[in-house]
Amino acid sequence: DQQVKQNSPSLSVQEGRISILNCDYTNSMFDYFLWYKKYPAEGPTFLISISSIKDKNEDGRFTVFLNKSAKHLSLHIVPSQPGDSAVYFCAVPWGFKTIFGAGTRLFVKA
Amino acid sequence: EAGVVQSPRYKIIEKKQPVAFWCNPISGHNTLYWYLQNLGQGPELLIRYENEEAVDDSQLPKDRFSAERLKGVDSTLKIQPAELGDSAVYLCASSLGGRGQEETQYFGPGTRLLVL
Repeated sequence: DQQVKQNSPSLSVQEGRISILNCDYTNSMFDYFLWYKKYPAEGPTFLISISSIKDKNEDGRFTVFLNKSAKHLSLHIVPSQPGDSAVYFCAVPWGFKTIFGAGTRLFVKA
Repeated sequence: EAGVVQSPRYKIIEKKQPVAFWCNPISGHNTLYWYLQNLGQGPELLIRYENEEAVDDSQLPKDRFSAERLKGVDSTLKIQPAELGDSAVYLCASSLGGRGQEETQYFGPGTRLLVL
């Protein structure tokens, strides 16, 4: 059973517009969340994180929102740029593991 | 600073053959991870080392997979014998260690394995 779910395999957005990537989780004990970005033929790179004591964390064009009651988090990219085209993974550290979602492939069209 | 280095980048073998992957973590990183990534899925942890000690290998199929991290630096992951279902990307990552859940993992580019 997947504990971290990214239900949209892909998303296409026009350059300059907002990209919203979603992630749902099942375990209410999760208290720290990560987003990783992955380009083809490269490993994932850390993008942004959020602790459950916050409902928002912002870093430049990237903002992560956390809705604990809904067990949902989202990554907003504003404005989207062609270089943002990549696969985005939602992840949760849990014990010795980090549990990753399946990823959402973002296409930003110029 | 050099990132996590993995070799080979690509490997094609026939089923039942052995294969080995090598990882050199970022200098000074005590924690090393091996992940398996199947197509269309996120990375799944195979084994995690704290220095030389494997602290979590619960997801490592021990009948055919083995790993070692001698001297707490480089690591190798071996599959013997390989099966068709082992075709995937094998990712190595490292982190400083000691920061708990706020630990940032740095990933290598991965080894793409194709078993024919």
